[in-house]
Amino acid sequence: NAGVTQTPKFRVLKTGQSMTLLCAQDMNHEYMYWYRQDPGMGLRLIHYSVGEGTTAKGEVPDGYNVSRLKKQNFLLGLESAAPSQTSVYFCASSYPPFSIAGQSYNEQFFGPGTRLTVL
Amino acid sequence: AQKITQTQPGMFVQEKEAVTLDCTYDTSDQSYGLFWYKQPSSGEMIFLIYQGSYDEQNATEGRYSLNFQKARKSANLVISASQLGDSAMYFCAMREGSLSVLRGSQGNLIFGKGTKLSVKP
Repeated sequence: NAGVTQTPKFRVLKTGQSMTLLCAQDMNHEYMYWYRQDPGMGLRLIHYSVGEGTTAKGEVPDGYNVSRLKKQNFLLGLESAAPSQTSVYFCASSYPPFSIAGQSYNEQFFGPGTRLTVL
Repeated sequence: AQKITQTQPGMFVQEKEAVTLDCTYDTSDQSYGLFWYKQPSSGEMIFLIYQGSYDEQNATEGRYSLNFQKARKSANLVISASQLGDSAMYFCAMREGSLSVLRGSQGNLIFGKGTKLSVKP
Protein backbone atom coordinates (compact mmCIF):
# COMPACT_ATOMS: atom_id res chain seq x y z
CA ASN A 1 0.00 0.00 0.00
CA ALA A 2 1.27 3.42 -0.94
CA GLY A 3 -0.99 5.14 1.62
CA VAL A 4 -1.57 8.79 0.75
CA THR A 5 0.46 10.25 -2.09
CA GLN A 6 0.65 13.83 -3.33
CA THR A 7 1.73 15.18 -6.68
CA PRO A 8 3.82 17.29 -7.16
CA LYS A 9 6.21 17.53 -4.20
CA PHE A 10 7.39 21.04 -5.09
CA ARG A 11 6.10 23.75 -7.37
CA VAL A 12 6.91 27.37 -8.10
CA LEU A 13 4.21 29.50 -9.72
CA LYS A 14 3.98 33.07 -10.87
CA THR A 15 1.14 35.24 -9.62
CA GLY A 16 -1.97 34.56 -11.67
CA GLN A 17 -0.99 31.10 -12.86
CA SER A 18 -3.17 28.10 -12.18
CA MET A 19 -2.34 24.61 -11.04
CA THR A 20 -3.86 21.45 -9.60
CA LEU A 21 -2.53 19.40 -6.73
CA LEU A 22 -3.40 15.73 -6.79
CA CYS A 23 -3.98 13.58 -3.74
CA ALA A 24 -4.46 9.84 -4.06
CA GLN A 25 -5.15 7.22 -1.38
CA ASP A 26 -5.38 3.48 -1.66
CA MET A 27 -7.00 2.74 1.71
CA ASN A 28 -10.62 3.02 0.54
CA HIS A 29 -11.19 5.97 2.87
CA GLU A 30 -14.42 7.92 2.64
CA TYR A 31 -13.11 11.18 4.04
CA MET A 32 -10.41 13.26 2.45
CA TYR A 33 -9.02 16.64 3.48
CA TRP A 34 -6.78 19.40 2.21
CA TYR A 35 -4.84 21.41 4.79
CA ARG A 36 -2.31 24.18 4.47
CA GLN A 37 0.56 24.82 6.85
CA ASP A 38 2.15 28.24 7.22
CA PRO A 39 5.20 29.13 9.31
CA GLY A 40 4.43 29.21 13.03
CA MET A 41 1.00 27.73 12.46
CA GLY A 42 -0.56 24.36 12.73
CA LEU A 43 -2.46 22.90 9.83
CA ARG A 44 -5.64 24.65 8.73
CA LEU A 45 -8.43 23.00 6.79
CA ILE A 46 -9.04 24.29 3.26
CA HIS A 47 -11.67 21.91 1.88
CA TYR A 48 -12.82 18.42 2.64
CA SER A 49 -14.87 15.63 1.18
CA VAL A 50 -16.98 13.03 2.93
CA GLY A 51 -17.41 10.86 -0.13
CA GLU A 52 -17.14 10.58 -3.88
CA GLY A 53 -18.84 13.50 -5.58
CA THR A 54 -19.10 15.62 -2.43
CA THR A 55 -16.97 18.53 -1.30
CA ALA A 56 -17.31 21.24 1.31
CA LYS A 57 -15.47 24.31 2.56
CA GLY A 58 -13.21 24.31 5.55
CA GLU A 59 -11.67 27.12 7.54
CA VAL A 60 -9.68 28.83 4.75
CA PRO A 61 -11.32 27.99 1.40
CA ASP A 62 -10.91 31.28 -0.48
CA GLY A 63 -8.90 31.03 -3.68
CA TYR A 64 -9.16 27.24 -3.88
CA ASN A 65 -11.47 24.77 -5.53
CA VAL A 66 -11.65 21.00 -5.12
CA SER A 67 -13.12 17.99 -6.83
CA ARG A 68 -13.68 14.37 -5.80
CA LEU A 69 -14.71 12.57 -8.95
CA LYS A 70 -13.24 9.27 -7.79
CA LYS A 71 -13.20 7.96 -4.24
CA GLN A 72 -9.44 7.55 -4.22
CA ASN A 73 -8.57 11.01 -5.58
CA PHE A 74 -9.02 14.50 -4.19
CA LEU A 75 -7.86 17.42 -6.32
CA LEU A 76 -7.04 20.91 -5.06
CA GLY A 77 -7.06 23.69 -7.65
CA LEU A 78 -5.69 27.19 -7.61
CA GLU A 79 -7.30 29.16 -10.44
CA SER A 80 -5.23 32.33 -10.06
CA ALA A 81 -2.34 31.87 -7.67
CA ALA A 82 -1.44 34.64 -5.24
CA PRO A 83 1.69 35.05 -3.05
CA SER A 84 -0.52 34.52 0.02
CA GLN A 85 -1.00 30.95 -1.17
CA THR A 86 2.67 30.17 -0.67
CA SER A 87 2.48 27.34 1.81
CA VAL A 88 2.94 23.64 2.38
CA TYR A 89 -0.17 21.69 1.45
CA PHE A 90 -1.08 18.42 3.08
CA CYS A 91 -3.70 15.96 2.02
CA ALA A 92 -5.15 13.51 4.51
CA SER A 93 -7.68 10.72 4.45
CA SER A 94 -9.61 8.68 6.98
CA TYR A 95 -12.65 6.55 7.60
CA PRO A 96 -15.62 8.48 8.99
CA PRO A 97 -14.40 10.03 12.22
CA PHE A 98 -16.82 8.65 14.75
CA SER A 99 -19.64 6.18 14.89
CA ILE A 100 -22.94 7.60 15.95
CA ALA A 101 -23.53 4.88 18.53
CA GLY A 102 -20.40 5.46 20.52
CA GLN A 103 -16.87 6.58 20.51
CA SER A 104 -14.28 5.31 18.16
CA TYR A 105 -11.49 6.98 16.41
CA ASN A 106 -10.10 6.81 12.97
CA GLU A 107 -6.65 8.16 12.46
CA GLN A 108 -6.07 10.61 9.67
CA PHE A 109 -3.31 9.51 7.35
CA PHE A 110 -1.29 12.31 5.83
CA GLY A 111 0.48 12.63 2.54
CA PRO A 112 4.09 13.85 2.39
CA GLY A 113 3.10 17.42 1.54
CA THR A 114 3.52 19.75 -1.41
CA ARG A 115 5.64 22.85 -1.04
CA LEU A 116 4.18 25.62 -3.20
CA THR A 117 5.83 28.98 -3.78
CA VAL A 118 3.98 31.75 -5.57
CA LEU A 119 6.18 34.58 -6.80
CA ALA B 1 -11.71 31.12 20.09
CA GLN B 2 -8.63 28.96 19.86
CA LYS B 3 -9.54 25.36 20.44
CA ILE B 4 -6.06 23.91 20.85
CA THR B 5 -3.40 25.82 22.75
CA GLN B 6 0.24 24.88 22.85
CA THR B 7 1.95 27.47 25.02
CA GLN B 8 5.55 26.37 24.43
CA PRO B 9 6.86 27.57 21.05
CA GLY B 10 10.17 25.87 21.74
CA MET B 11 11.61 23.41 24.24
CA PHE B 12 15.06 22.05 24.94
CA VAL B 13 15.76 18.73 26.61
CA GLN B 14 18.92 16.83 27.33
CA GLU B 15 19.32 13.49 25.64
CA LYS B 16 17.98 10.59 27.75
CA GLU B 17 15.84 12.88 29.90
CA ALA B 18 12.04 13.04 29.88
CA VAL B 19 10.15 16.02 28.52
CA THR B 20 6.53 17.15 28.71
CA LEU B 21 4.89 19.10 25.92
CA ASP B 22 1.79 20.99 26.98
CA CYS B 23 -1.57 21.04 25.25
CA THR B 24 -4.90 22.43 26.39
CA TYR B 25 -8.11 22.23 24.45
CA ASP B 26 -11.58 23.66 24.39
CA THR B 27 -14.72 21.83 23.36
CA SER B 28 -18.30 21.54 24.49
CA ASP B 29 -18.59 17.98 23.17
CA GLN B 30 -18.46 15.04 25.54
CA SER B 31 -17.05 12.79 22.85
CA TYR B 32 -13.81 13.82 21.19
CA GLY B 33 -10.36 12.56 20.39
CA LEU B 34 -6.95 14.05 21.04
CA PHE B 35 -3.97 13.35 18.85
CA TRP B 36 -0.29 14.13 18.82
CA TYR B 37 1.68 14.34 15.61
CA LYS B 38 5.40 14.71 15.07
CA GLN B 39 6.76 16.69 12.14
CA PRO B 40 10.51 16.27 11.60
CA SER B 41 12.49 18.64 9.43
CA SER B 42 11.70 16.44 6.43
CA GLY B 43 8.11 17.68 6.71
CA GLU B 44 5.92 14.63 6.95
CA MET B 45 3.24 14.33 9.63
CA ILE B 46 3.78 11.27 11.82
CA PHE B 47 0.98 10.09 14.10
CA LEU B 48 2.24 9.39 17.63
CA ILE B 49 -0.58 8.78 20.03
CA TYR B 50 -4.32 9.10 20.54
CA GLN B 51 -6.54 9.64 23.59
CA GLY B 52 -10.31 9.30 23.51
CA SER B 53 -12.40 11.43 25.80
CA TYR B 54 -14.00 8.37 27.36
CA ASP B 55 -10.76 6.49 27.85
CA GLU B 56 -10.13 6.10 31.56
CA GLN B 57 -6.48 5.28 31.27
CA ASN B 58 -3.80 7.49 29.82
CA ALA B 59 -2.66 6.37 26.40
CA THR B 60 0.86 5.02 25.98
CA GLU B 61 2.82 4.12 22.87
CA GLY B 62 6.38 3.07 23.54
CA ARG B 63 8.27 6.10 24.86
CA TYR B 64 5.23 8.33 24.36
CA SER B 65 2.50 8.77 26.91
CA LEU B 66 -0.37 11.18 27.11
CA ASN B 67 -1.14 12.80 30.43
CA PHE B 68 -4.89 13.31 30.04
CA GLN B 69 -6.58 15.52 32.63
CA LYS B 70 -10.14 15.86 31.44
CA ALA B 71 -11.33 18.31 34.07
CA ARG B 72 -8.47 20.65 33.23
CA LYS B 73 -8.91 20.00 29.50
CA SER B 74 -5.26 19.19 29.09
CA ALA B 75 -3.57 16.47 27.06
CA ASN B 76 0.16 16.77 27.59
CA LEU B 77 2.60 14.58 25.69
CA VAL B 78 5.36 12.98 27.72
CA ILE B 79 8.41 11.66 25.92
CA SER B 80 10.62 9.50 28.09
CA ALA B 81 14.33 8.94 27.50
CA SER B 82 14.65 11.57 24.77
CA GLN B 83 16.70 10.73 21.73
CA LEU B 84 18.36 13.02 19.20
CA GLY B 85 15.84 11.81 16.62
CA ASP B 86 13.04 13.26 18.72
CA SER B 87 14.05 16.77 17.64
CA ALA B 88 11.05 17.95 15.63
CA MET B 89 7.86 20.00 15.72
CA TYR B 90 5.09 18.43 17.75
CA PHE B 91 1.45 19.20 17.13
CA CYS B 92 -1.49 18.56 19.38
CA ALA B 93 -4.80 18.14 17.57
CA MET B 94 -8.43 17.47 18.42
CA ARG B 95 -11.25 15.90 16.54
CA GLU B 96 -14.68 16.64 17.92
CA GLY B 97 -17.01 13.77 18.34
CA SER B 98 -20.24 12.20 17.38
CA LEU B 99 -22.52 15.06 18.36
CA SER B 100 -20.55 17.41 16.17
CA VAL B 101 -20.73 14.94 13.31
CA LEU B 102 -24.50 14.83 13.68
CA ARG B 103 -24.54 18.61 13.55
CA GLY B 104 -22.62 18.49 10.31
CA SER B 105 -19.04 18.76 11.51
CA GLN B 106 -16.50 17.75 8.95
CA GLY B 107 -14.57 15.62 11.41
CA ASN B 108 -11.32 17.33 10.63
CA LEU B 109 -8.45 17.72 13.01
CA ILE B 110 -8.04 21.07 14.71
CA PHE B 111 -4.37 21.75 15.28
CA GLY B 112 -2.41 23.77 17.76
CA LYS B 113 0.49 25.92 16.59
CA GLY B 114 3.05 23.38 17.61
CA THR B 115 6.08 23.09 19.87
CA LYS B 116 9.57 22.81 18.49
CA LEU B 117 11.53 20.30 20.54
CA SER B 118 15.29 20.28 20.41
CA VAL B 119 17.19 17.41 22.01
CA LYS B 120 20.71 18.27 23.12
CA PRO B 121 23.46 15.63 23.15
